[in-house]
Amino acid sequence: EVVLTQSPGTLSLSPGERATLSCRANQTVTSNYLAWYQQKPGQAPRLLIYGASTRATRIPDRFSGSGSGTDFTLTIVRLEPEDFAVYYCQHYATLPQPTFGQGTKVE
Amino acid sequence: QVQLQESGPGLVKPSETLSLTCAVSGYSISSGYYWGWIRQPPGKTLEWIGSISRTGNTFYTPSLKSRVTIAVDTSKNRVSLRLTSVTAADTAIYYCARHRFGALGDLDYWGQGTLVTVSS
Repeated sequence: EVVLTQSPGTLSLSPGERATLSCRANQTVTSNYLAWYQQKPGQAPRLLIYGASTRATRIPDRFSGSGSGTDFTLTIVRLEPEDFAVYYCQHYATLPQPTFGQGTKVE
Repeated sequence: QVQLQESGPGLVKPSETLSLTCAVSGYSISSGYYWGWIRQPPGKTLEWIGSISRTGNTFYTPSLKSRVTIAVDTSKNRVSLRLTSVTAADTAIYYCARHRFGALGDLDYWGQGTLVTVSS
């Protein structure tokens, strides 16, 4: 099973700043099957990125994903007030089950 | 617009069975995709439970496989989750979602989630 470790646990930034979130896997992520989700308090997660770098439908282009192998990054180039949330990475299309990282809170 | 809505009891007693339903609208389950259940204990990360296809083909996470059943009802356009012999560790928000890619894929549409508390 792939274990995903996200860092930092909390990122303290201001609107307009750049956010860089890391997701590291303990083994190679096959075919870059890595997704990123945003979750706001009291809401379900929202898919932002799949395939490590493809933005999901209606996701603003200030969100970008990069990386391969075991190291992946989610970048938000200019934080908007609505971007303050918890972000999770996920390794999918993998047996025995998809796995999620523990999350990074952007505050 | 695809929408999912979970429903079921918010309180379940220890050792009893948790039963939830996910009603899908805006898309016919018979048309395809896998439909999954994911849970999130309060303040913790997400845990994938399992998924099901329109034909009833299922995948389960190994740690819950002995206690979980996911079923599909295409006539009512809904999926269901049963989790037996629950304990306090099963207290969580339970989400249903659509797998965008395969049976174990990323998840592009989610329900709003329903909190299930296991307590006597």
